[in-house]
Amino acid sequence: DVKVTQSSRYLVKRTGEKVFLECVQDMDHENMFWYRQDPGLGLRLIYFSYDVKMKEKGDIPEGYSVSREKKERFSLILESASTNQTSMYLCASSLWNTEAFFGQGTRLTVV
Amino acid sequence: TQLLEQSPQFLSIQEGENLTVYCNSSSVFSSLQWYRQEPGEGPVLLVTVVTGGEVKKLKRLTFQFGDARKDSSLHITAAQPGDTGLYLCAGMNRDDKIIFGKGTRLHILP
Repeated sequence: DVKVTQSSRYLVKRTGEKVFLECVQDMDHENMFWYRQDPGLGLRLIYFSYDVKMKEKGDIPEGYSVSREKKERFSLILESASTNQTSMYLCASSLWNTEAFFGQGTRLTVV
Repeated sequence: TQLLEQSPQFLSIQEGENLTVYCNSSSVFSSLQWYRQEPGEGPVLLVTVVTGGEVKKLKRLTFQFGDARKDSSLHITAAQPGDTGLYLCAGMNRDDKIIFGKGTRLHILP
């Protein structure tokens, strides 16, 4: 079975802090994604990566950056957390042009 | 912009009833996926449909891909409380990004 693991289920951070969300997949997938999910807005793509050290902006990249130094690991960075970044963050991975598999999600609260 | 529209947005029915939810687009997709998401968890892949007109069954769930590969439906027979959740459809767009509908929130009353 594909396993996508996010480092934290719940996080509470203060405004202005730098926040790291980590995601690891064990199926040698090329593609990895970061989404945020908010009520009424659905899943919105923040960034995705199709190879090591490669990244592409999604629909809402502002305020975020990513890092993919190894194929199995994709990190989302909130440079200076703000309250409007309180959300459910979901990491996913996939082979090229196939369905995505998700981690369990990280519920981030910025106070 | 390729969009996936899901309907209904919310559905609350009694245990034992049948239901159908829909995923529609004006664009053609090479494949569509259906996911179920429970509160506080990530979406879990249920099925992928690839061929126009394809029908796949997963116990009491029946998935159909439209002939033109622009729409899909999910039919649940004899719904049970364990079917409660958010059902999401997703498809790969022209830029190889996976896009999602906003989901149908299903609640089965015991």
